[in-house]
Amino acid sequence: GAVVSQHPSWVICKSGTSVKIECRSLDFQATTMFWYRQFPKQSLMLMATSNEGSKATYEQGVEKDKFLINHASLTLSTLTVTSAHPEDSSFYICSAMTGANEKLFFGSGTQLSVL
Amino acid sequence: GESVGLHLPTLSVQEGDNSIINCAYSNSASDYFIWYKQESGKGPQFIIDIRSNMDKRQGQRVTVLLNKTVKHLSLQIAATQPGDSAVYFCAENFPYSGNTGKLIFGQGTTLQVKP
Repeated sequence: GAVVSQHPSWVICKSGTSVKIECRSLDFQATTMFWYRQFPKQSLMLMATSNEGSKATYEQGVEKDKFLINHASLTLSTLTVTSAHPEDSSFYICSAMTGANEKLFFGSGTQLSVL
Repeated sequence: GESVGLHLPTLSVQEGDNSIINCAYSNSASDYFIWYKQESGKGPQFIIDIRSNMDKRQGQRVTVLLNKTVKHLSLQIAATQPGDSAVYFCAENFPYSGNTGKLIFGQGTTLQVKP
């Protein structure tokens, strides 16, 4: 089946630094990817829709300058958490569709801990 | 055992019993629903989906029921096994978005299977 890979699986960083998370579709091309965040024992919340070759679409309340999304190719989207603070500590998950009206596959997630 | 996702976030069942996990979705315009299984520290794993033109869909050991009148979705797992222990999320597509991959997740129900 389709595989979506995220890297890194976990990252610890100091407050004020920036962290980049990669989301790759390994065996298919994804014109659209999605980024979610999940706090402990809570549900997934959609942050933004990542569109290949164009600007990302952010959900209400998500700071676009804080969470930079780049979708430079059909198989890679990156999420950069800029000037991370402890409140940004969360589980970040990406997803991608194999095609229009096809199934959605999720990455394995990235646990970010900001000290 | 039976659980309402919004009010009873944990469901404990005996191995071999059937499990029923319930979910109340938010928007009557949603037309696509998915159940996901999430194990600790991992991304969501697709279980089964259903479109709004159906009331029931069966998979291997799982059945999803959709009641559009009361905006209710349920996941039935037959002969529950220890490997079924996880958090289960229902998700609906963003209204009027078609199957674009933008999803609204429910709060989740933890399923604990006792040996």
